Amino acid sequence: DTAVSQTPKYLVTQMGNDKSIKCEQNLGHDTMYWYKQDSKKFLKIMFSYNNKELIINETVPNRFSPKSPDKAHLNLHINSLELGDSAVYFCASSLSGGPRTGELFFGEGSRLTVL
Amino acid sequence: GENVGLHLPTLSVQEGDNSIINCAYSNSASDYFIWYKQESGKGPQFIIDIRSNMDKRQGQRVTVLLNKTVKHLSLQIAATQPGDSAVYFCAEKEESNYQLIWGAGTKLIIKP
Repeated sequence: DTAVSQTPKYLVTQMGNDKSIKCEQNLGHDTMYWYKQDSKKFLKIMFSYNNKELIINETVPNRFSPKSPDKAHLNLHINSLELGDSAVYFCASSLSGGPRTGELFFGEGSRLTVL
Repeated sequence: GENVGLHLPTLSVQEGDNSIINCAYSNSASDYFIWYKQESGKGPQFIIDIRSNMDKRQGQRVTVLLNKTVKHLSLQIAATQPGDSAVYFCAEKEESNYQLIWGAGTKLIIKP
């Protein structure tokens, strides 16, 4: 009964390849996020969707393309992977509105290693 | 902006002592503040929050203090236990804004 689940947990791939990370939440939340965490643990927002609509799109290379087929899913596709894409990618969800709108529920992360 | 070149601050505390983790926030318009805990190999997890109309809020073994004058937030953990070992993040946001602004994180190490 995992709240926010993302797959795969680990991904090792060669430079230039294309890969996807999937995320699903069963919390009934209407907002989902992708974060990138580097080796120094800095958390950087990449994208956010509210009710399947893109609301945050930070300065991220257009090799990264999020897709939200429905409110419970937000997938991340990365084209032409580069060494600098190596990081842990976290999916998160939240409920917009309400008293705790900053409370994000995170998945366990997907560690991407580009060789 | 990018926190290029900064190291992850580390705090070492004896088991059983109290811990205080500090955070300076950036946006004077922020009116909602949150502390998250990230254990090794896991995603960040909500600990406690506070709104700008308060200066102190207590949870179970944790207290958050807010000083709006100097834009400072702190997390106090009482009687620190081994399970408190983690990286702690402060985050801020404006009520009207979707986006959380995250601090750099502080690694808490518990010495036996």
